[in-house]
Amino acid sequence: AQKVTQAQTEISVVEKEDVTLDCVYETRDTTYYLFWYKQPPSGELVFLIRRNSFDEQNEISGRYSWNFQKSTSSFNFTITASQVVDSAVYFCALSGKEGGAQKLVFGQGTRLTINP
Amino acid sequence: NAGVMQNPRHLVRRRGQEARLRCSPMKGHSHVYWYRQLPEEGLKFMVYLQKENIIDESGMPKERFSAEFPKEGPSILRIQQVVRGDSAAYFCASSRRTGTNEKLFFGSGTQLSVL
Repeated sequence: AQKVTQAQTEISVVEKEDVTLDCVYETRDTTYYLFWYKQPPSGELVFLIRRNSFDEQNEISGRYSWNFQKSTSSFNFTITASQVVDSAVYFCALSGKEGGAQKLVFGQGTRLTINP
Repeated sequence: NAGVMQNPRHLVRRRGQEARLRCSPMKGHSHVYWYRQLPEEGLKFMVYLQKENIIDESGMPKERFSAEFPKEGPSILRIQQVVRGDSAAYFCASSRRTGTNEKLFFGSGTQLSVL
């Protein structure tokens, strides 16, 4: 069965620190997609990134970067020089044929608090 | 180009009442998905619909919950005789096509509170 584990329930850092959010997944699919979403206090879900299983290149977008390692089934998310506006709950998610196309499996989420 | 629209944003119901949650997908999207987020938990898939058809309802509770996506109008998630345990945020997402490489666009959610 597909599963996404975000072991860190809550993280609290001081502004400008770097912070990494861990995500470990399980799937029997050879083709699958991994996602990160941000849920700010207002509640909506904001798409951050989608990565397919054949593309193990790390991705950088401004202060955000993602490290995909198939060997350890991990898709970690790093925020560099964190800011108060980064405070949110972050979800890692997985989709693949095993679970049904488009049926995203979400992790429990990591609540990130950036203190000024 | 409006995103996925959900209404109401907040819905309060007393136990035993019915709750109707509406979702209008993005323009050009014919696939709709409903997810539920219980307090302090991640989102859980409930149901996947295409116009006038339920494709996958494996995540729907067996009783009291139903969903539809008519030819015209928004998708509706209906919860009959609500109980306190139904209190949650309900998110709708849409996509243009189906397939594991399609990106889902989520609405802002409806927060249901059952008194």
